[in-house]
Amino acid sequence: GAVVSQHPSWVICKSGTSVKIECRSLDFQATTMFWYRQFPKQSLMLMATSNEGSKATYEQGVEKDKFLINHASLTLSTLTVTSAHPEDSSFYICSAQGGGVYGQPQHFGDGTRLSIL
Amino acid sequence: GQQLNQSPQSMFIQEGEDASMNCTSSSIFNTWLWYKQDPGEGPVLLIALYKAGELTSNGRLTAQFGITRKDSFLNISASIPSDVGIYFCAGQGDSGGSNYKLTFGKGTLLTVNP
Repeated sequence: GAVVSQHPSWVICKSGTSVKIECRSLDFQATTMFWYRQFPKQSLMLMATSNEGSKATYEQGVEKDKFLINHASLTLSTLTVTSAHPEDSSFYICSAQGGGVYGQPQHFGDGTRLSIL
Repeated sequence: GQQLNQSPQSMFIQEGEDASMNCTSSSIFNTWLWYKQDPGEGPVLLIALYKAGELTSNGRLTAQFGITRKDSFLNISASIPSDVGIYFCAGQGDSGGSNYKLTFGKGTLLTVNP
């Protein structure tokens, strides 16, 4: 149980392109989903937290107009990197948590490797 | 932001040996979690700890939630080659008010020599 699917797993695109990444909880309802960014050989950095049906909460220093997050249902959240540039290249990982913010651990997707040329 | 001190940063052991790693924090957490991450993949939950002093096992893995709520350790017994990867500790529910967020350690890279 507690499977989180992330798609696509790898994206290569030109600078200026907008890229959408999907995160789905396959066998549970995720009241809260999280988006992280991870640079090589580093830990995960939280970008934003999204609750179903409400606006995402962004961490300090994360541009909300750059990284658009939508959490329209209890099983799907999307992250759109708008007008991506080479500095946006990174490994993006989502996680999902069910049963409210307490009591349930976060389960992670397999990540999306984003490369901007 | 708050960080966890995770050690060691890396370790090299022979197959069959045990591996131990730990995390400490300057503030308390309500939950401690241990994840393993393989290259190019997302972290996989290994063990979740919810009570101070709790000792929990998952196969060859054993983890403890420190009595002060500021530390946790993970032990892997009788290591095998597939144990190779990066292990992260994570704390949830600190005293800062953002109780749902995870604070991650910097990871321990484990290498197991066959």
